[in-house]
Parts: sequence; C-alpha cells; structure tokens
Amino acid sequence: AQSVAQPEDQVNVAEGNPLTVKCTYSVSGNPYLFWYVQYPNRGLQFLLKYITGDNLVKGSYGFEAEFNKSQTSFHLKKPSALVSDSALYFCAVSDQAGNNRKLIWGLGTSLAVNP
Amino acid sequence: DGGITQSPKYLFRKEGQNVTLSCEQNLNHDAMYWYRQDPGQGLRLIYYSQIVNDFQKGDIAEGYSVSREKKESFPLTVTSAQKNPTAFYLCASSRSGGRFDEQFFGPGTRLTVL
Repeated sequence: AQSVAQPEDQVNVAEGNPLTVKCTYSVSGNPYLFWYVQYPNRGLQFLLKYITGDNLVKGSYGFEAEFNKSQTSFHLKKPSALVSDSALYFCAVSDQAGNNRKLIWGLGTSLAVNP
Repeated sequence: DGGITQSPKYLFRKEGQNVTLSCEQNLNHDAMYWYRQDPGQGLRLIYYSQIVNDFQKGDIAEGYSVSREKKESFPLTVTSAQKNPTAFYLCASSRSGGRFDEQFFGPGTRLTVL
C-alpha cells in the first residue's frame, strides 16, 4: 500500500541550529514528493517538491529537502532555524494507483524553535 | 492578487442542518480539492474535481456533497448525514490536477456543530 510516514510528532530545536524534519514514503511508481507548512489556524503553504533530477531540492524560506531513493526518504532541512519557523509541517506523495490524482499525506510534524 | 478564498472563516451549525462552505479561486486552475483536518489526523480528502462538471469522491465523502458548475468555484455542503462534522475544512486547487502539481490552499473554514 502507498503511504507516507512522518516518524516524529514533534521536533524541538534551538534558534540558529540546523533542523531536520523526517519523511519516508512507499509508492509503487516514481515518487513525486512535496513539503507543506501550516501556521496556526491557517491553510497550508507549499514549500518545495521533488519530481526528478537533483536529489537536493531548494524551496521557500531557506528550506531544502534531500531525496534518497535507497532509503525512500525525503527529509526537510534548514541550516539555521528561526523562531518564526515554528509550525506544523506536512510531507505528501502523489498517489500512483490507477487514475488517482490525489496526494497521500503524512500526519504532520510540529516544529518548535526555541529562542 | 491571485489566490483562494474560503468563507466563512467560522461557521456554527445546529445538529440536523445542512451548511455550505464556499471556495473560490482566481488562479485559473483546473483542479480543486476539499480536505478535512482534525487534530492528530492530518488531512483527509473529501472530494476533488479535475474539471468543470466532474468530481470524484475522496477517502471520506460520506455525509458531504459538492458541485463544480464553474471553474472558479467548488462549494462543499456538509449534510445532516455527516455524524461528526466539527472540524477545520480546507479547500485547495492545482493547475491541472497532475501528479506533480503542487496544491494551493485557502485559509480554511472552522465548522462547529452546537
């Protein structure tokens, strides 16, 4: 079955330190992977996606993600965290089954950046 | 400015009433989506539409209905058959509904059943 896992419900990091939010996936075909961020009581905002090409994808607000095919992972990273990065982060993968045109979502990881 | 609007921001409903949530986009996107978000459960797809006058059930369509009469609009009706409708509802759109298209989200509607 196709799925996305975000193994950590919450990640805590000090401001200025690097951050990593983990995501692993399982799909039957080529993985098209996405990261979104959600601030409290707001809609989601797209950060970045991997379709093909370079394994390191750069996105909005200084975030990047590394695609690792052998480990079926797509971890979100940022070299230096800001307090304003505190939010809920979602990983998603495109459903490859049949004619489905929808995303399969992880349950989210709450990131807290401490000053 | 291009974007997606949802109204109202907050909605209160008595048990047994149907309510309709509005979603409008001016991005000229073909595909639109409705999600439900509950704490700890991530996003669950209710319905999606890839083209006008066509839509498909998502994972939790029971108790909901939609229409797609115009490209810009994708209203969601929460019927009295939905047993636990209190949740945060998110509308989204994407350019063509293709597997590599990112989705753009509205600000959400929080529905509370009294």
